[in-house]
Amino acid sequence: AQKVTQAQTEISVVEKEDVTLDCVYETRDTTYYLFWYKQPPSGELVFLIRRNSFDEQNEISGRYSWNFQKSTSSFNFTITASQVVDSAVYFCALSGFYGGSQGNLIFGKGTKLSVKP
Amino acid sequence: ETGVTQSPTHLIKTRGQQVTLRCSSQSGHNTVSWYQQALGQGPQFIFQYYREEENGRGNFPPRFSGLQFPNYSSELNVNALELDDSALYLCASSLEGGLGGYTFGSGTRLTVV
Repeated sequence: AQKVTQAQTEISVVEKEDVTLDCVYETRDTTYYLFWYKQPPSGELVFLIRRNSFDEQNEISGRYSWNFQKSTSSFNFTITASQVVDSAVYFCALSGFYGGSQGNLIFGKGTKLSVKP
Repeated sequence: ETGVTQSPTHLIKTRGQQVTLRCSSQSGHNTVSWYQQALGQGPQFIFQYYREEENGRGNFPPRFSGLQFPNYSSELNVNALELDDSALYLCASSLEGGLGGYTFGSGTRLTVV
């Protein structure tokens, strides 16, 4: 069975602090994808990153960075110098890859990040 | 390039009624997936449509059904509404096989009273 665990339900930081959102996944597939989505109060899920299981290189995009470690089945997300606009619920998700097609997304329960001025 | 649009944005229904939610795919996308997101939870996969046929389904009862039209737009129908069906319903479109990832709409907030 596939599962995504986001142990942090809520995190509150002060602007300019760094914050790391944890994600642990379970899967028996050898080929899979990992995602992070941001959900502002408007409800839309905003895509942040997709990483396949064969690419363990860490990625940096501006203030965002992701650390993928297959040895610990983790895909953590760090925001450097957080801003008030980063306040949202963040979801980690997992999908398999079957017959040349990406499977449906399996989401964690999300981490609500509040960044205070 | 237009994104995914869903209608209506909010809806209130009475237990036992039926509801239809609509989704227009992003231009060029031929695959549509529907997700249910209960308050405080992550989205749960309901089903996916490709070329007007259901090609994947999550753990939802048959009273959740859908349609995909030739223009790739889609409907989610829920019969015999229950209080627990109250949730945000999200539509996501993608290219065939989920290639290029999924683009989500802003969802329809359904309240069942």
